Amino acid sequence: EAQVTQNPRYLITVTGKKLTVTCSQNMNHEYMSWYRQDPGLGLRQIYYSMNVEVTDKGDVPEGYKVSRKEKRNFPLILESPSPNQTSLYFCATRRDRGVAEYFGPGTRLTVT
Amino acid sequence: AQSVTQLDSQVPVFEEAPVELRCNYSSSVSVYLFWYVQYPNQGLQLLLKYLSGSTLVKGINGFEAEFNKSQTSFHLRKPSVHISDTAEYFCAVSDPGAGSYQLTFGKGTKLSVIP
Repeated sequence: EAQVTQNPRYLITVTGKKLTVTCSQNMNHEYMSWYRQDPGLGLRQIYYSMNVEVTDKGDVPEGYKVSRKEKRNFPLILESPSPNQTSLYFCATRRDRGVAEYFGPGTRLTVT
Repeated sequence: AQSVTQLDSQVPVFEEAPVELRCNYSSSVSVYLFWYVQYPNQGLQLLLKYLSGSTLVKGINGFEAEFNKSQTSFHLRKPSVHISDTAEYFCAVSDPGAGSYQLTFGKGTKLSVIP
């Protein structure tokens, strides 16, 4: 079964405490991306990766890092989280430009 | 860069009535267009997409959308809604000519179906 998994699903943390949200896909897709979803703002892309070791900034990359050391995994790193990074985060993957983007179940992050 | 405007943030509609959710995009060049649905507490799933060809696209759950190049629109329609259609709907666009696969989303339209 095609799957995108994210961990953790829920996380409450404090300002400044480094955290990593993992994302893994079993579809052998080259393209992966991270979005954040905020009420009234829709989904905004944070980073994307077109292949292993190839990453690029999306629309809202400030405060985030990513890495793509292997095709199936694309972790999102918040080195010093702040309250304005409280959001719902989605990982997504796609085989090609014209096909559906598969979304993970989401990670709800609260930074106090 | 592409942008997407969803003209209505919330749309209430009675059960079995028709609905149209509006979407306009910024560029008149070649585009790929998508509609996604997000049910409460879930991720997004694809409803339908337009890549080329027929301007009327049919998707899952009885939804369809019409691509209008001159008006740069891609409105989503359903002739008769059900309670189970209550969800948030997102229009998205990508540029097939661009080097990246980047997808730009609208801000979403919350559809509430009233019994």
